[in-house]
Amino acid sequence: QSALTQPASVSGSPGQSITISCTGTSSDVGGYNYVSWYQQHPVKAPKLMIYDVSNRPSGVSNRFSGSKSGNTASLTISGLQAEDEADYYCSSYTSSNWVFGGGTKLTVL
Amino acid sequence: QVQLVQSGAEVKKPGASVKVSCKASGYTFTSYYMHWVRQAPGQGLEWMGIINPSGGSTTYAQKFQGRITMTRDTSTSTVYMEVSSLRSEDTAVYYCARRGSSSSGYYYVMDVWGQGTTVTVSS
Repeated sequence: QSALTQPASVSGSPGQSITISCTGTSSDVGGYNYVSWYQQHPVKAPKLMIYDVSNRPSGVSNRFSGSKSGNTASLTISGLQAEDEADYYCSSYTSSNWVFGGGTKLTVL
Repeated sequence: QVQLVQSGAEVKKPGASVKVSCKASGYTFTSYYMHWVRQAPGQGLEWMGIINPSGGSTTYAQKFQGRITMTRDTSTSTVYMEVSSLRSEDTAVYYCARRGSSSSGYYYVMDVWGQGTTVTVSS
């Protein structure tokens, strides 16, 4: 199972919006509405931010949103804040397995 | 509160095996599957497999089949993952992560994570 494709890095200024893409295939991202997104700060465990493409767990800011079109899912963060600077990983369920993206480093300028 | 506490850091020689533990608390252990995910230094997350603590059934990523074994002890609410024939590329932080429940809608995600266990493979 190949990793999902994410840009290595994205950046934005405080208050701006950014979008991180996550491209897979019809066997994973395109085949299931089970894409999730995780935020990871340095030397910390990942934290669930979005599940089932576009749902936010309780406690996650509504500045985080998710969507999907075909084989590509996206995470959008609006109103960027300094604490959003972190690594972000997408993940998709695929036939009794899970696969992650390579990760995207978000820099808040 | 729901918590996953993992065992401490390990240093192993190439060819050896390592067994990492993950003790769950704050919920019904047998009601939630458990994932194992690893992260090599400076690299991304890699899914390794999943175990059903209720019956012990497992699914391993193809890459690790034959080299990892996941087990559980229901009496202590602990899951274990053993990696054999270690090589330098297995140097990583290993995480256990709970699969969400179908009733919560979090069924296809990892909703609670352990703190991670660093495994270093070096001669």
